[in-house]
Amino acid sequence: QKEVEQNSGPLSVPEGAIASLNCTYSDRGSQSFFWYRQYSGKSPELIMFIYSNGDKEDGRFTAQLNKASQYVSLLIRDSQPSDSATYLCAANSANAGGTSYGKLTFGQGTILTVHP
Amino acid sequence: NAGVTQTPKFQVLKTGQSMTLQCAQDMNHNSMYWYRQDPGMGLRLIYYSASEGTTDKGEVPNGYNVSRLNKREFSLRLESAAPSQTSVYFCASSRGWDAAEAFFGQGTRLTVV
Repeated sequence: QKEVEQNSGPLSVPEGAIASLNCTYSDRGSQSFFWYRQYSGKSPELIMFIYSNGDKEDGRFTAQLNKASQYVSLLIRDSQPSDSATYLCAANSANAGGTSYGKLTFGQGTILTVHP
Repeated sequence: NAGVTQTPKFQVLKTGQSMTLQCAQDMNHNSMYWYRQDPGMGLRLIYYSASEGTTDKGEVPNGYNVSRLNKREFSLRLESAAPSQTSVYFCASSRGWDAAEAFFGQGTRLTVV
C-alpha cells in the first residue's frame, strides 16, 4: 500500500512566525509532490509542486524535497491568519508500468492555525 | 472560465437508492478523477480516467461505477447507496502526465441515511 504520512498536528503558530509542515512517502516510484491548501468546506487548491531534490521557493512558501529520505516539507514564512487551513501533501502514484496519469496519493492533512 | 464543475453540491439519499454525480471540465484536460474525502483520512482515489475512452479503479472502487462520456465529462454512479458512502466527493482533472497538477471541483457532500 503506497502511503503518504503527514505530521499529525494540529499546528498552531503566531502571526509572523514560520510554519513547518512535514510529509513522508513510502513509494520510491513517486516523482512529483504537491502541496494543496484546503479551507473548511472548500475544495483543495494547489499551492506548490516539486519534483527535484532541494528547495523551491514561491513568495512566502518554500517546498523542500529529499528523495533519499523520502521526505517533503512546506515552510510558510511570515504566517498570516489567512493561512489558517488544512494542508494536504500528495505524491503522484504510478501504475506498474511506471506512469501515474496524474493520480495522487494524499496524506491525511495537517490543520494549521495562525493566531494574531 | 469555470474549471471543474460538479453537480449536485449536496445530496441526501436513503440506503439502497442510486444516484449519479456529474463532473465536467473545460480545460481540455486528458485525465479525470473521482476522490472521496472522509474526516482524518485525506482524499482517496475511487476511479480515474487516464484519457477519453478509458477508466480504471483507484484505491476504493467498491460500490461505485464511472463513465467517461467524452473528454469533458466524467460521471460517478452509486448503484445502491450505503451509509459507508457518506462522504464529500471531489472530481478533479489534469493534463495527465506525471508532473501535472490536478484541479478540483467544488465537491459534493453526500449523506446516506
